[in-house]
Amino acid sequence: DADVTQTPRNRITKTGKRIMLECSQTKGHDRMYWYRQDPGLGLRLIYYSFDVKDINKGEISDGYSVSRQAQAKFSLSLESAIPNQTALYFCATSAHIDTQYFGPGTRLTVL
Amino acid sequence: GESVGLHLPTLSVQEGDNSIINCAYSNSASDYFIWYKQESGKGPQFIIDIRSNMDKRQGQRVTVLLNKTVKHLSLQIAATQPGDSAVYFCAENIDAGNMLTFGGGTRLMVKP
Repeated sequence: DADVTQTPRNRITKTGKRIMLECSQTKGHDRMYWYRQDPGLGLRLIYYSFDVKDINKGEISDGYSVSRQAQAKFSLSLESAIPNQTALYFCATSAHIDTQYFGPGTRLTVL
Repeated sequence: GESVGLHLPTLSVQEGDNSIINCAYSNSASDYFIWYKQESGKGPQFIIDIRSNMDKRQGQRVTVLLNKTVKHLSLQIAATQPGDSAVYFCAENIDAGNMLTFGGGTRLMVKP
């Protein structure tokens, strides 16, 4: 969905490096989410935000942090990347209790 | 393309046949369910949703059935086409905070 964009689309980094993944949306939604997807494990929620400055931990928040400085932007950071954080990362948005719309994903590889 | 599920259950159907993809959910308090389609290299895409006060909802070529008694959800795709080949996820909403919990996914393969 072009209304939700993620950068970068692909990233290869080394263990111990700090990485930031960006998400932007033009849907005007208040709620934004970061998910991780691993083969055979579906989507797991890392962090979510219901409004600017609102931050909530999801199922697997350890090793990650987020920032929601504007309604349209939600960034995910890996302070010190480790190999088991190699995965597909998806950002999503929603308006209240409603369908979540996903971005195209970021493929992160940590060597 | 991306490999989103190396060990996913797979459903293989002939083009033109109907497909039925099943999902079991665990929380009887779940009140909202969604089916997503994920094609290789792309993010999940909304297909259809259903609320717990309904047991059936139809869209274009797709029908979702909800059986709350046995906590089971199914997605029926009529006249399956090659473009339907993808991984399909069900998701359930638990509590009013719009927290979605996703199932592990099913890979649909359409044979020409």
